[in-house]
Amino acid sequence: NAGVTQTPKFQVLKTGQSMTLQCAQDMNHNSMYWYRQDPGMGLRLIYYSASEGTTDKGEVPNGYNVSRLNKREFSLRLESAAPSQTSVYFCASSEALKAFFGQGTRLTVV
Amino acid sequence: QKEVEQNSGPLSVPEGAIASLNCTYSDRGSQSFFWYRQYSGKSPELIMSIYSNGDKEDGRFTAQLNKASQYVSLLIRDSQPSDSATYLCAVRNAGNMLTFGGGTRLMVKP
Repeated sequence: NAGVTQTPKFQVLKTGQSMTLQCAQDMNHNSMYWYRQDPGMGLRLIYYSASEGTTDKGEVPNGYNVSRLNKREFSLRLESAAPSQTSVYFCASSEALKAFFGQGTRLTVV
Repeated sequence: QKEVEQNSGPLSVPEGAIASLNCTYSDRGSQSFFWYRQYSGKSPELIMSIYSNGDKEDGRFTAQLNKASQYVSLLIRDSQPSDSATYLCAVRNAGNMLTFGGGTRLMVKP
C-alpha cells in the first residue's frame, strides 16, 4: 500500500533556484494538502485542494504555487527559493475521517 | 491569534500517570477534530478523531470535545515512555481545510 508518496525526500537549493515537490496518493481522496513544519513548530498550511480542479490558500502561501494535476497528484512549486523556505514539507490527503501523510521532504535553501 | 492553539510544553509525566493535553480553536464552524502523534523525524499519525460533544475512548486514549467552549482535549492513561512524542491537535472546517496547532511535546519518564 503506497498511500501518499512524496518526492524528493531531501533537497538542497541555492537562493533563487526553483523546484517542484511532487505528491501522489492512491486512495482516491478528494482533498489534498501541503504543509510546512519548522523546528519546534506544528504544521502550517501552505495550500490545499478540496477537490480536483480547485486550490485555496492556507496560512502561509507566499512564495509558493500549487497545481492539482488530477485527482491523484498535487504539486508544490517554489519559483525563487529563499532561505526562509528551509523547512520540512509534508503532503497529505484525506477523506472525511482521516488524513494520511507522506514521509516528508527536507528542503534546505542556502 | 492562531486558529488552533496548544501549549508547546514540554509536558512531563511519570510512567503510569495520566497525561492531559489541551487544545482550543477559534472557528465555531469547525466540524471535525483530530489528535495526531508525531515522533521526531517522522510523519504525523492519527490517533483519535471526534465529531460530537462529549468523550470518545479508544484503549488508553480519551478525546473530549466541548464545542460551546471551543475546546478539545486528549487524555492518555497509564502513560508509557513510548508515548513520548509531539501531539498535534487538528481541526477541519466546513470547506475541508485542515488546520493544525503548534503541538505539545510530551515526555513520559520511566
